[in-house]
Amino acid sequence: DAGITQSPRYKITETGRQVTLMCHQTWSHSYMFWYRQDLGHGLRLIYYSAAADITDKGEVPDGYVVSRSKTENFPLTLESATRSQTSVYFCASSESGDNYGYTFGSGTRLTVV
Amino acid sequence: QKEVEQNSGPLSVPEGAIASLNCTYSDRGSQSFFWYRQYSGKSPELIMSIYSNGDKEDGRFTAQLNKASQYVSLLIRDSQPSDSATYLCAVKDFNKFYFGSGTKLNVKP
Repeated sequence: DAGITQSPRYKITETGRQVTLMCHQTWSHSYMFWYRQDLGHGLRLIYYSAAADITDKGEVPDGYVVSRSKTENFPLTLESATRSQTSVYFCASSESGDNYGYTFGSGTRLTVV
Repeated sequence: QKEVEQNSGPLSVPEGAIASLNCTYSDRGSQSFFWYRQYSGKSPELIMSIYSNGDKEDGRFTAQLNKASQYVSLLIRDSQPSDSATYLCAVKDFNKFYFGSGTKLNVKP
C-alpha cells in the first residue's frame, strides 16, 4: 500500500527497556521526521532526516536515537525508556521544499510503566 | 526558536455558522504556512497551504495571510459537526514545520 505506515500502533513497555518504533514510506520522499505529541506541548520535533544516512536533532532529542540506512525507513529507538517518554509518536515525510506539506503516519501510542 | 501561537479554545460555534481560527508567528521571514486538522485519536491531516498575502479559498475553507501583521487565519463557512476537531497552524522553514499547539473547535448541532 502506498503511504506512510507506523508500527506498532500501541506499545506498553517497562522503564529501562529499549523500544524501537518503525516508520516506512513508499513515496521516496527525501525528508522524514519524528514528532511526539503531548497534552499542553503540541507537536514537538525529535529528529529529522534529509536523506539516507543524514539525520539531525530536533527540539527534544534526548533519550532517542534514529537511523536511516534506506530512504523509505526511519526507525526511532528509545535506548532506555522513561515514564516521561510516554506519548503519542508521529512519523511524517515530505518532499524537499517549503511548499510541500507533511504526510503523517497514523501514530504510535507508547506507554512506559 | 520559531514560535507559532494559537488560542487553545475550545471555540464553540453553532452548525451553519462561520468558524474563525487565528494564528500568529514570530519569524517575519517565514514564507510558507499550513493548516492541519486533527480529530481526536487520529493523525494530523493537511487542509490548506498559503504562501502569499491575501485569501485562498478551497471549498468551505478560506485561509488568510497577512505577513505584515504576522498572522494567519482559517475560516470555515457553513460549519458542520464533522468539522469538530483540533486545528493546527504550522509554519515551514528550511523543510521543517513549526506547529502551534492547536485550537479545539466544537460545532454544535
